[in-house]
Amino acid sequence: EDKVVQSPLSLVVHEGDTVTLNCSYEVTNFRSLLWYKQEKKAPTFLFMLTSSGIEKKSGRLSSILDKKELFSILNITATQTGDSAIYLCAVFPRTGAGKSTFGDGTTLTVKP
Amino acid sequence: ETGVTQTPRHLVMGMTNKKSLKCEQHLGHNAMYWYKQSAKKPLELMFVYNFKEQTENNSVPSRFSPECPNSSHLFLHLHTLQPEDSALYLCASSQPWDRGQVEQYFGPGTRLTVT
Repeated sequence: EDKVVQSPLSLVVHEGDTVTLNCSYEVTNFRSLLWYKQEKKAPTFLFMLTSSGIEKKSGRLSSILDKKELFSILNITATQTGDSAIYLCAVFPRTGAGKSTFGDGTTLTVKP
Repeated sequence: ETGVTQTPRHLVMGMTNKKSLKCEQHLGHNAMYWYKQSAKKPLELMFVYNFKEQTENNSVPSRFSPECPNSSHLFLHLHTLQPEDSALYLCASSQPWDRGQVEQYFGPGTRLTVT
């Protein structure tokens, strides 16, 4: 059975801090790993990672995948209160149209 | 706005009612998904449609019945639900699976309460 484990489950930091969120996975026939940010409602897409060692960046957020050690990290630098959200990691296998496995999420709280 | 809309946004129904959730996407995608998000649980994939054909049904009880009349619309028909079915039901869409672009765009969800 495919499995995605995120850590920590929750994190409280102050504005300006840098945070690193972790996602480890076990999946048969890996295709892609996706990061989402979920505030009060639906998740919004952040990054899709398919290749090891290639960092993806978007402003203060960046992410990288290690397919050998089966994990990904999401970094947020100079955190702001607007970064407070649940960050979800999901893994998609190569087989089966759209069969994804989501982690429990990391709840990030950024205090002013 | 992600280009995926869901109605209604909130629904309260009794265990003997029949209702339907609607999802519409304006992104030109051909794959659509239903997810269930319960409190303190990961997102659970329920159904996947790829070019209007159902390709995944993750052991979902028959009281949930999906319908995909075309690539832009997806319905979830509900009947004789149980209180434990209360959850946020999310619709998502993406490019077809075999194109490799699996970024999913989610609708705002329908908050369902079964009394």
